[in-house]
Amino acid sequence: ETGVTQTPRHLVMGMTNKKSLKCEQHLGHNAMYWYKQSAKKPLELMFVYNFKEQTENNSVPSRFSPECPNSSHLFLHLHTLQPEDSALYLCASSQDRLAGGSSYEQYFGPGTRLTVT
Amino acid sequence: GENVEQHPSTLSVQEGDSAVIKCTYSDSASNYFPWYKQELGKGPQLIIDIRSNVGEKKDQRIAVTLNKTAKHFSLHITETQPEDSAVYFCAAALYALNFGKGTSLLVTP
Repeated sequence: ETGVTQTPRHLVMGMTNKKSLKCEQHLGHNAMYWYKQSAKKPLELMFVYNFKEQTENNSVPSRFSPECPNSSHLFLHLHTLQPEDSALYLCASSQDRLAGGSSYEQYFGPGTRLTVT
Repeated sequence: GENVEQHPSTLSVQEGDSAVIKCTYSDSASNYFPWYKQELGKGPQLIIDIRSNVGEKKDQRIAVTLNKTAKHFSLHITETQPEDSAVYFCAAALYALNFGKGTSLLVTP
């Protein structure tokens, strides 16, 4: 186990539903990330939080809404999703965020397999 | 932004043979190059990384080489075993990880 847990592991939701994905890290890290993994595409960085503050939003549609109440927990709130949003959503954490001259190993959770019907 | 190309997309080798996966990147400022292994039903796991001030790094059966001039880096796995079968991702980073599309490695007994 990597020390990063995600729930639920699988989620099926309709386009009008509202659901949330949860991520928790037990590593004492300061930075947390949401990634989207679709078949035949590179992992796409969605959001970055460092010390609970959002430091990056990679032009993600507003139907995805992140929340980071503390350095150990990260949520992704979902509403009115589209079928093309079906993917594996991965959470990761690192000691601190990448900062040019330094680099920190990112630890990934197992992901939530999301299917939008 | 950074663009990372990874080849091949699939690779099949016999147990005991070597496997090589290659990546190229576009941003010469990138200075951190990790490799991740993803098994079915799991998230990516870091297996080795290299920084721009180093040309080669080894960890048992795994090695990574970096050519900054040519902007490419490679993963070498020697004496492959069936448990090496997985999807491998390269990434290049300065402020964020930019991933390749992955290589599905199959090691047959």
